[in-house]
Amino acid sequence: GQQVMQIPQYQHVQEGEDFTTYCNSSTTLSNIQWYKQRPGGHPVFLIQLVKSGEVKKQKRLTFQFGEAKKNSSLHITATQTTDVGTYFCAGPEYGGSQGNLIFGKGTKLSVKP
Amino acid sequence: SAVISQKPSRDICQRGTSLTIQCQVDSQVTMMFWYRQQPGQSLTLIATANQGSEATYESGFVIDKFPISRPNLTFSTLTVSNMSPEDSSIYLCSVAFLGSEQYFGPGTRLTVT
Repeated sequence: GQQVMQIPQYQHVQEGEDFTTYCNSSTTLSNIQWYKQRPGGHPVFLIQLVKSGEVKKQKRLTFQFGEAKKNSSLHITATQTTDVGTYFCAGPEYGGSQGNLIFGKGTKLSVKP
Repeated sequence: SAVISQKPSRDICQRGTSLTIQCQVDSQVTMMFWYRQQPGQSLTLIATANQGSEATYESGFVIDKFPISRPNLTFSTLTVSNMSPEDSSIYLCSVAFLGSEQYFGPGTRLTVT
């Protein structure tokens, strides 16, 4: 079945270092979404990418959607302790009901102050 | 976005009993979903709650175990029936409008003893 894979599973960085998580889908996606879940919290929508090769920025966060629309990345420049949490990518379920998303397993980011 | 509340926020239940989780949204939404998230794991879609009709369940989830109601566009319930310790998890409802991004409730942490 359709899979959305994320690497790495864990990332420990020193505050101020950069961080990147990668997402790969087994199928072409109409869009890719990114969510952040703080420890003890619920997933919060960050961004949606739709176009092939699209790049979007939110302050220190840069999101990319691959040319083939099967992979994506999230890059954080100069991490801060507020960036701690698990970052999930998600794509629409191929052939599924409208709105269904397949989530990657997430990348858990910890930041040492 | 939307403001989503869930009740209860947490509960400890005995095996063999049932628990009904409520999800309330502050505005009418097109789609509502129910997810399960084991601690430290990704999100698994249980079903899409359809207003006025039976929910659409994902593979591995059945109506007898997880009956869902959605009487209107702002409210839904998920019941976890005949619980076993394996049902211990966080249950999240989410909503979506016309775009495919989803907004999550705070979750219900269920422990079955």
